[in-house]
Amino acid sequence: DAKTTQPNSMESNEEEPVHLPCNHSTISGTDYIHWYRQLPSQGPEYVIHGLTSNVNNRMASLAIAEDRKSSTLILHRATLRDAAVYYCILRDQRNRDDKIIFGKGTRLHILP
Amino acid sequence: EAGVVQSPRYKIIEKKQPVAFWCNPISGHNTLYWYLQNLGQGPELLIRYENEEAVDDSQLPKDRFSAERLKGVDSTLKIQPAELGDSAVYLCASSLRAGANTEAFFGQGTRLTVV
Repeated sequence: DAKTTQPNSMESNEEEPVHLPCNHSTISGTDYIHWYRQLPSQGPEYVIHGLTSNVNNRMASLAIAEDRKSSTLILHRATLRDAAVYYCILRDQRNRDDKIIFGKGTRLHILP
Repeated sequence: EAGVVQSPRYKIIEKKQPVAFWCNPISGHNTLYWYLQNLGQGPELLIRYENEEAVDDSQLPKDRFSAERLKGVDSTLKIQPAELGDSAVYLCASSLRAGANTEAFFGQGTRLTVV
């Protein structure tokens, strides 16, 4: 399975944008890039996913590099409620046995 | 619409006792997952169902763990007998279908403590 690399932790100020990076240099052309987050004492929560083009939804934006070897999850205006562990995950659309494999993620701290 | 429902939310048992966790996925979701999450780690897949068929149970410790998904809806995960090292959060998730272009929805999990 293609792997992802994320910083262990990041800090950001409340009400400012947050850019969470993810490196996936061995990504294949059929891998979707998914982001989940996990708030304290909660199960993981789907955030966004994309294949090649940038994606926007009500929670966040996903910016995918042109060579697809990296991506960035953008929270446009962080709130205290966005403090969580953010996981960047690759999922292969060719694989019928595709599964969601979590790494250690990035722990995001929001400073008031 | 109700999300993925898991029960119980917390469970404390003595070692060597059996324990069971229950999951009710989102209505109409064919794919169901059970994950285990140790403190400070990401979730690890135990088993994945497509309808009532377990299509990936390679990470399930079959000597003590078992799971079932009768009628392709609710699912139960059982541990018998429990060991101290089984203390963890057990998460259930569901998705509409299999495949990389879908999202999964997770329950709040069951926190198991084995004493």
